[in-house]
Amino acid sequence: GIQVEQSPPDLILQEGANSTLRCNFSDSVNNLQWFHQNPWGQLINLFYIPSGTKQNGRLSATTVATERYSLLYISSSQTTDSGVYFCAEGTYNNAGNMLTFGGGTRLMVKP
Amino acid sequence: KAGVTQTPRYLIKTRGQQVTLSCSPISGHRSVSWYQQTPGQGLQFLFEYFSETQRNKGNFPGRFSGRQFSNSRSEMNVSTLELGDSALYLCASSYRDSPEKLFFGSGTQLSVL
Repeated sequence: GIQVEQSPPDLILQEGANSTLRCNFSDSVNNLQWFHQNPWGQLINLFYIPSGTKQNGRLSATTVATERYSLLYISSSQTTDSGVYFCAEGTYNNAGNMLTFGGGTRLMVKP
Repeated sequence: KAGVTQTPRYLIKTRGQQVTLSCSPISGHRSVSWYQQTPGQGLQFLFEYFSETQRNKGNFPGRFSGRQFSNSRSEMNVSTLELGDSALYLCASSYRDSPEKLFFGSGTQLSVL
């Protein structure tokens, strides 16, 4: 199956700083998603981005499917952005839904 | 609109016991999938149910099983618990096969002593 690698594994930022998280895939992607895991363990669906660029407030994501990578940008970071960010490739069809996750990037934003 | 609800939130068991975890999906969602999260292996897919049928299963031993009821609520069961089964178990529901409408619960933290 597809392999998903994320970098960096850990990131510490000062509040207000910008950051870029990267996700590399071993094969072509069709259903790339980004998630944020909050301190309570819940995974929040940030972006569904199989290709192109999307923005939602201070967060934006870009996927270059032909080069098998995706980037998540966080601008003007806030302490509430802390947590673990995961990218995942999804399979959604009659054979079943499933996600293959990367190892995650643990982000800590300091006040 | 209520989110995905998982119960219990925390669970402590001893080796050899069995455990049942519950997941109530968002109203109208018919797909429920389960994931195991551990520090060593990360997030791994367990299985997925749609309209009471298991459509897909991850690479886990037969001790891990699940089912889905007619109201789309799902349960997963782990028999003969091992120390390595200690993990956060996450459930996700979605409306049909739609990645943009995929929502996770807060999980059940299982500790096996």
